[in-house]
Amino acid sequence: DTVMIQSPDSLAVSLGERATINCKSSQSVFVHSNNRNYLAWYQHKPGQPPKLLIYWASTRESGVPDRFSGSGSGTDFTLTISSLQAEDAAVYYCHQYLIVPHTFGQGTRLEIK
Amino acid sequence: EVQVVESGGGLVQPGGSLRLSCVASGFDFSGYWMTWVRQAPGKGLEFVANINQDGSDIHYVGSVEGRFTISRDNAKKSVYLQMNNLRTDDTALYYCARDSAYFDSWGQGTLVTVSS
Repeated sequence: DTVMIQSPDSLAVSLGERATINCKSSQSVFVHSNNRNYLAWYQHKPGQPPKLLIYWASTRESGVPDRFSGSGSGTDFTLTISSLQAEDAAVYYCHQYLIVPHTFGQGTRLEIK
Repeated sequence: EVQVVESGGGLVQPGGSLRLSCVASGFDFSGYWMTWVRQAPGKGLEFVANINQDGSDIHYVGSVEGRFTISRDNAKKSVYLQMNNLRTDDTALYYCARDSAYFDSWGQGTLVTVSS
């Protein structure tokens, strides 16, 4: 199975500051024929289902604030929150959907400092 | 509004069986793959199984292969997860999600507890 490793496992960031979460895949999730990276990011808060933030590595889901952005290609990806808000405290997961079975990163817990 | 609602969770003894259901609304159910994802207590998200639009293409995570069966009924806009020979490490909150390759709509989940 494709292993997804996120770093760090947890981080604490002050309000208004930038938060960066990394995700590394054990295999490339880039498909040359359609020039797409099969990588998504989710936000998961306690008591709620996960929420899709980013798909195709950098496409923001409708309704997601533009402070959330995704980048990267192949095996290395980044989720950036440009100016942290209180409601961004959550666990964030990357997810590759190219290779079956789908796999998720272990999660990164983001706290407000 | 796109919505998926899971049901069927509960407490079951090791070796027992349970059938989860997920009913969808607000979108063309027969046009989408559907997926089950689980989260064990204190753990991260784990893909369990998915099924294509007509049920002809199915994938499982290795740990449930041969024990779990995913199926769907497009007329009822429902997807199911038959879980047999349950183990204590199957204890988790099971989510149903619409599968657009990525998972863009999730239910609230149904809790499965495997314990003697």
